[in-house]
Amino acid sequence: KAGVTQTPRYLIKTRGQQVTLSCSPISGHRSVSWYQQTPGQGLQFLFEYFSETQRNKGNFPGRFSGRQFSNSRSEMNVSTLELGDSALYLCASSGDLASADTQYFGPGTRLTVL
Amino acid sequence: SQQGEEDPQALSIQEGENATMNCSYKTSINNLQWYRQNSGRGLVHLILIRSNEREKHSGRLRVTLDTSKKSSSLLITASRAADTASYFCATAHSGNTPLVFGKGTRLSVIA
Repeated sequence: KAGVTQTPRYLIKTRGQQVTLSCSPISGHRSVSWYQQTPGQGLQFLFEYFSETQRNKGNFPGRFSGRQFSNSRSEMNVSTLELGDSALYLCASSGDLASADTQYFGPGTRLTVL
Repeated sequence: SQQGEEDPQALSIQEGENATMNCSYKTSINNLQWYRQNSGRGLVHLILIRSNEREKHSGRLRVTLDTSKKSSSLLITASRAADTASYFCATAHSGNTPLVFGKGTRLSVIA
């Protein structure tokens, strides 16, 4: 099976812009979770989608949003970018809810906000 | 916070030695998972251990779980330079809550 893919791999934006990141899970997986990783805060949970429904949301401002499509592909959007949004954004998929099953991670999208 | 905490934060050993990393958490769990991350890349799942299990093995990896002490350890035997990476524990606290990752242990294996 193909692994989790994320596009784009690298992104440079300026403050105030918005960005959309995409994640394609492993075929058959229904759960997609998103994480933000920074040197200072580590891995922070953003949200989890399961069968197109948001199951959990982390403690991030409303500028961070996401959705999942019927084919389980997921997108996350960050509006009005801030310098502090510079991070590695990771998505992970699993067959069951993330808390009950092994998570398979994509390579990440490295976002730099200037 | 439910966040797991790994100990030590960094570990440097010689090739061939064993490496032990620990993870402590605060509230009861359904399962605990260990992941590896090579610099700036995605995480790779290593082992999932459920709350009713005490030990699991996978190749050179051995994970133990002590729910009474709310702690887990990851042992890598006969380490190799390729084991150089950051290792994270992640705890699942109920069926519908997100995984909570610790800040990781940075392992350096020197050839």
